[in-house]
Amino acid sequence: KNQVEQSPQSLIILEGKNCTLQCNYTVSPFSNLRWYKQDTGRGPVSLTIMTFSENTKSNGRYTATLDADTKQSSLHITASQLSDSASYICVVSSIGAGNMLTFGGGTRLMVKP
Amino acid sequence: NAGVTQTPKFQVLKTGQSMTLQCAQDMNHNSMYWYRQDPGMGLRLIYYSASEGTTDKGEVPNGYNVSRLNKREFSLRLESAAPSQTSVYFCASSEAWRGSSYEQYFGPGTRLTVT
Repeated sequence: KNQVEQSPQSLIILEGKNCTLQCNYTVSPFSNLRWYKQDTGRGPVSLTIMTFSENTKSNGRYTATLDADTKQSSLHITASQLSDSASYICVVSSIGAGNMLTFGGGTRLMVKP
Repeated sequence: NAGVTQTPKFQVLKTGQSMTLQCAQDMNHNSMYWYRQDPGMGLRLIYYSASEGTTDKGEVPNGYNVSRLNKREFSLRLESAAPSQTSVYFCASSEAWRGSSYEQYFGPGTRLTVT
């Protein structure tokens, strides 16, 4: 069964600090990996999409990495801001299943002043 | 562009009541999806519509029905609500079904409580 596991489940950091969120997956065959940001009470919004051949992708202060060999990804947030407080969801797409996505349970990040 | 819109935003139902969740997108997307999100769990696909005129079951379709009314609109119906259907429901759309990197755009969600 395809699965996506994220750690930690929750994280509190001080404004201005960096943090790294982890994602492990067992989805096969792999197509791409996405990171979404979900603010409280809102729908998920895409941050990055990485295919098999990409191992790093940035979007402003967000940098995602992908190791397709170990089936791991990380999302690094630099110089955190209060507005980064949200849930971050790792999502993996499988080839041959159309656009079927397997969602992780998310990491809830709280940035404190 | 409003993107993906959903109505209502909140709803409380009694067990056995029925209701329809509405979803519309203005991005001319071909594919639309309904998900549910429960605490501590990832989003799970209920139904999807790869293109206008087609619908298919996702991971958790029991207790739900859908209608792809036209290219813009995709509704989700609960015929006889149960407490296990208490959840947050998200509608999403994407340019196409086939293809590895088509982005899915999500609506703001409907919070449903069944008592």
